[in-house]
Amino acid sequence: AQSVSQHNHHVILSEAASLELGCNYSYGGTVNLFWYVQYPGQHLQLLLKYFSGDPLVKGIKGFEAEFIKSKFSFNLRKPSVQWSDTAEYFCAVKLVDSSYKLIFGSGTRLLVRP
Amino acid sequence: DAMVIQNPRYQVTQFGKPVTLSCSQTLNHNVMYWYQQKSSQAPKLLFHYYDKDFNNEADTPDNFQSRRPNTSFCFLDIRSPGLGDAAMYLCATSRPVGEQFFGPGTRLTVL
Repeated sequence: AQSVSQHNHHVILSEAASLELGCNYSYGGTVNLFWYVQYPGQHLQLLLKYFSGDPLVKGIKGFEAEFIKSKFSFNLRKPSVQWSDTAEYFCAVKLVDSSYKLIFGSGTRLLVRP
Repeated sequence: DAMVIQNPRYQVTQFGKPVTLSCSQTLNHNVMYWYQQKSSQAPKLLFHYYDKDFNNEADTPDNFQSRRPNTSFCFLDIRSPGLGDAAMYLCATSRPVGEQFFGPGTRLTVL
């Protein structure tokens, strides 16, 4: 069965530290890839997405992610985190030739200390 | 602003007492989804509609039903809520191709 793995369940960083959150998926076909963020008490919001083209995609709030097809990975990065980045981050995969559903990873809870 | 609206934001019900959660959208998207999200877990898809075409996930309990009377509205009915159904219920919409847009969720408490 298709799955999405997020390697880090909890990450604690100090402000200005660099961030990389791992995401791997298991599916050999064409995928669309997403990172969603859920700030405390708020709804899921799209950070960035990859459909095709340049594998390095830039999202909102200084986030970027790189699709490496050979590694089935879509890692999220930010060079310098802020306290306001404290949130839960979900990687999600859509199987293009299968259905409309998103397969979510289990999430990474990020705490940024001021 | 175009958006996904869920009502109520908080719902308390008693064990076994039917409850209906509501979702509406102003995005005019074809596809609407219902997810269940428990604490510290990923959202779990319950079902989705492509227009009027209903698609149930294989592991969605029979206790959960849905209705989509028109493009804008979608309802989640829980016929006999159990304690294990306490969760955040998320509604989302999308075009056939593109990202999903999520509502704020309804937090369901079962007493």
